[in-house]
Amino acid sequence: QKEVEQDPGPLSVPEGAIVSLNCTYSNSAFQYFMWYRQYSRKGPELLMYTYSSGNKEDGRFTAQVDKSSKYISLFIRDSQPSDSATYLCATRLYGNNRLAFGKGNQVVVIP
Amino acid sequence: KAGVTQTPRYLIKTRGQQVTLSCSPISGHRSVSWYQQTPGQGLQFLFEYFSETQRNKGNFPGRFSGRQFSNSRSEMNVSTLELGDSALYLCASSLDREVLENTIYFGEGSWLTVV
Repeated sequence: QKEVEQDPGPLSVPEGAIVSLNCTYSNSAFQYFMWYRQYSRKGPELLMYTYSSGNKEDGRFTAQVDKSSKYISLFIRDSQPSDSATYLCATRLYGNNRLAFGKGNQVVVIP
Repeated sequence: KAGVTQTPRYLIKTRGQQVTLSCSPISGHRSVSWYQQTPGQGLQFLFEYFSETQRNKGNFPGRFSGRQFSNSRSEMNVSTLELGDSALYLCASSLDREVLENTIYFGEGSWLTVV
């Protein structure tokens, strides 16, 4: 069983729509949860960082972690063409820098 | 504040050759990790170095190795290159795993093509 599962299917949405992405993970000991954004031929850029369960909001982005169901979500409100990128969920244990990544979702926001 | 710097950005090698990639972490960061990214496998952890010592290792063959210098700069080496080693190699830096808000930042990566 993979540590982090993320349905890698591409997602196309019209500008202004809400983008909803999610991942599941297998190890209940994971405590840190991240979303990275990766533009084509670039390195991953940290978008959201959450410790333990709960919600975190940053502008148009909201990250949710539900540790009881081992579920991670990212919502992008009022999506823009500049949001077109691959979104990767990642998690790690406390005291360990090894990140376990999902496969990533390619998001295309159509003007 | 400069980010994580990786060199070279692009390179082409022939099967059987070896390659060395370099990474300069964010100033003050002492932990450097390396990842391989391929379309099929996604991002996979190679190894982590802290204070010149490897303290975590992923599931890759011994052809993949690395080291860290006293200034925290790191290099990774792949010997006897295979076609399947073609990938984006990413370096990530962070302060230290014991710091609660230990954010991990990535460089732009080194694109390796093996022909």
